This record gives sequence, C-alpha cells and structure tokens, in this order.
Amino acid sequence: QVQLMQSGAEVKKPGSSVKVSCQASGDSFNTDSFSWLRQAPGHGLEWMGGIIPFYGTPSYSQKFQDRVTITADGASSTVSMDLSGLRFDDTALYYCARDGFVTGQIGRFFELWGRGTLVSVSS
Amino acid sequence: EIVLTQSPVTLSVSPGESAALSCRASQSVSSSLAWYQQKPGQAPRLLIYSASTRATGVPARFSGSGSGTDFTLTISSLQSEDCAIYYCQQYSDWPETFGQGTKVEI
Repeated sequence: QVQLMQSGAEVKKPGSSVKVSCQASGDSFNTDSFSWLRQAPGHGLEWMGGIIPFYGTPSYSQKFQDRVTITADGASSTVSMDLSGLRFDDTALYYCARDGFVTGQIGRFFELWGRGTLVSVSS
Repeated sequence: EIVLTQSPVTLSVSPGESAALSCRASQSVSSSLAWYQQKPGQAPRLLIYSASTRATGVPARFSGSGSGTDFTLTISSLQSEDCAIYYCQQYSDWPETFGQGTKVEI
C-alpha cells in the first residue's frame, strides 16, 4: 500500500524559504499525480499546486504561483515543495497528497495524504 | 473560484443517531464533489468522491448524495470514533476548493 512520508517540522524567519519533501512508497510514482496543500488557522484547506512526475511539469494555484516551486525526483520517489518569501501567515501544516481522478470528470480529489509538515514562520 | 458553504458549523449528536451535513456550492459542480474526515492531529481522509462513491475501506454508514449545488453527507448510526471535522471539496473547476468544515461532536 502506498504511503507518503513527509519531512520534519521547520521554523523559518520571515523572508526566507522552506523546502518540504514527500517520499512515496509503491511502484507507481512516475505515473501518479501529486499535490501540495496547506491548512492554516483561519484559512482552511488550500490547494497550492501539483505535479505528475512522468511529465515533470508542475501546475500552481494563482495564489501561490509567484512563490512556490514543486519538483519531482523519480530516482528517490520524492516530490518537493519550495515556498519562498515566507510571511507570518504562511505558518501552517503543509500536506502532500496523491491525486485521484474519475474518467469524465475534470479535476482532482485527494485520495491519500501524508501526515503533514508544520512550518512555523517566526522572527 | 467556486465557494463551498458547509452547514452547520457544529453538529452535536448522540451515539446511534444519524447526522446530515450540508455542502452548498456557489455554482454547479455537477457530481464532482468529495468529502473528507479529519480527526484531531491527523491528516484528512477521503470518504466520498463523485458525490456518492465511497472510497476504499470507508464504512457503509457514510453515504453521500446530491448533484449540482446541493450535497449531503449522511452518517448513520454514529459512533464515538466519528468525532471529527468533515470537509467537502469540489473538483469541477480549477482551482479545487474546500468548504470550511463541519465539526461533529458526540
């Protein structure tokens, strides 16, 4: 059964960057689709962006596209999310998730989640 | 982007009772709607997709219904382990968006 193992908690200064990684077990890494989401107090759950490792081209939410970079490494079955220009309100739990799709439906839901990585932005 | 409004904010029920959670979309999402359960300190867990299809391993007491703009998650014969926050999510339009959640208390 596929599992998503995320990197550990981070404490960062405002203006700095953070990189969170997510290693997937299982044999379907390159053909799966993965997303990054975050859950911040007062903001609920937000989709930040996603990537299909086979194609390598990420897609980003307009809200985050100027600050987020999502990459995939097939050799280590790892997807990573880099968020720059950190602000206090970027303090949140960051989740990676494997996307689910239904034939005939356009978008994605999130069928498997990592445990989350807490990123705290503090001076 | 599509806004999802969930109601009620909090639902208090007794063990063995049923609970109906509502999710309303600001525009039609057809049947492209999912439900998630999040227990304290845990990641969300997919319960339902395509408005009414249970995900693998989800107990039959969880059922979803609706289409267009109005959706319901029904939990029948509630158990103490069902204490959680439940979120709906639409994937009809980009970006995918979530409701603010309904907290179920036993």
